[in-house]
Amino acid sequence: AQRVTQPEKLLSVFKGAPVELKCNYSYSGSPELFWYVQYSRQRLQLLLRHISRESIKGFTADLNKGETSFHLKKPFAQEEDSAMYYCALVNRETSGSRLTFGEGTQLTVNP
Amino acid sequence: DAGVIQSPRHEVTEMGQEVTLRCKPISGHDYLFWYRQTMMRGLELLIYFNNNVPIDDSGMPEDRFSAKMPNASFSTLKIQPSEPRDSAVYFCASSLRVAGELFFGEGSRLTVL
Repeated sequence: AQRVTQPEKLLSVFKGAPVELKCNYSYSGSPELFWYVQYSRQRLQLLLRHISRESIKGFTADLNKGETSFHLKKPFAQEEDSAMYYCALVNRETSGSRLTFGEGTQLTVNP
Repeated sequence: DAGVIQSPRHEVTEMGQEVTLRCKPISGHDYLFWYRQTMMRGLELLIYFNNNVPIDDSGMPEDRFSAKMPNASFSTLKIQPSEPRDSAVYFCASSLRVAGELFFGEGSRLTVL
């Protein structure tokens, strides 16, 4: 079955330190992956998608098919990066396509 | 556009009561999704609609849950009877494509005592 796993529910780093939020997936086809973010008192929103190969707010994520991973990275974390992060996979099944989310990782960046 | 609008933002009810959550998607979006968010399970898809038709309701926990979309601008998620384990944040989201960017509402936080 297609699924997304985020092994860390909580992650805490200091400002200026590198941060990596882990995401692993299991999928038999060609995966489409996303990262969504929910800042405090804000709506859940798209952060980036692997197809775009872009850097958003200093974050990047590389799809590693060999390791079935899509880890989110930032070289220097900022306090405003504190948020809940969700990795998501386009789940294409016979019943129709939809996004399957991981359990989420709460990132706290300490001053 | 004000984005996806959900109501109520907070609901506290007693076990056994009926709960109705409401959602207005972004105009022009053909897909509407209902998700449930809990600490233990993260975001779980309950059901989604395409052009007002339910496509996949395999995530609906049990018969106590039902969802409708009578027109393109309104959807409801109903829980009857509610139970304490239903306490969660329920999100509605809409999109132009089934696997496109999801636009979420602010969520409805439900507490069942």
